[in-house]
Amino acid sequence: DQQVKQNSPSLSVQEGRISILNCDYTNSMFDYFLWYKKYPAEGPTFLISISSIKDKNEDGRFTVFLNKSAKHLSLHIVPSQPGDSAVYFCAASMNYGGSQGNLIFGKGTKLSVKP
Amino acid sequence: NAGVTQTPKFRVLKTGQSMTLLCAQDMNHEYMYWYRQDPGMGLRLIHYSVGEGTTAKGEVPDGYNVSRLKKQNFLLGLESAAPSQTSVYFCASSYHLRSSYNEQFFGPGTRLTVL
Repeated sequence: DQQVKQNSPSLSVQEGRISILNCDYTNSMFDYFLWYKKYPAEGPTFLISISSIKDKNEDGRFTVFLNKSAKHLSLHIVPSQPGDSAVYFCAASMNYGGSQGNLIFGKGTKLSVKP
Repeated sequence: NAGVTQTPKFRVLKTGQSMTLLCAQDMNHEYMYWYRQDPGMGLRLIHYSVGEGTTAKGEVPDGYNVSRLKKQNFLLGLESAAPSQTSVYFCASSYHLRSSYNEQFFGPGTRLTVL
């Protein structure tokens, strides 16, 4: 059973517009969420994160929103740039228990930003 | 500061052959991980280590063994490779497990093909 879901395999956006990538989770015990960006033939790189005690975290053009009641988070990229074209992975973790700190990844969303 | 490095970058094996993938990190991180990424499957945790001399199973451990003899190195072994192990393997490390700062840093990946 998939605990972290990214239901959109791909997303295409025009340069300068907003990109919104969505992620849903099923385990209410998750208390920390991260977004990773991955270019072809490279390893994932950390982009932005949010703790469950917050509902928003912003870093430059990137903002992550967390709706705990809906078990949903989203990544907003404004404005989108062609260099943002990559696969974006949502990940979640819980900082207690036997698997404390391990990241559970979604399947990823491929973002294409067109000039 | 090289971060996380992986050796080799590419490898082709025949069914039944064995090999070891090497991961090294120079960030003095306590925790290290091995993932595999398959098309449409996201990143799945194979094994992880919470410190030198310790290892634990992740989500998909069957067919793999690991060792963490030195803090900076984490080895992934395939004793008898199978075509189902054709994948891209990523190593990652992180500093702190029981905190909100469990950002993992990834290596560039090893592309393994088993014929």
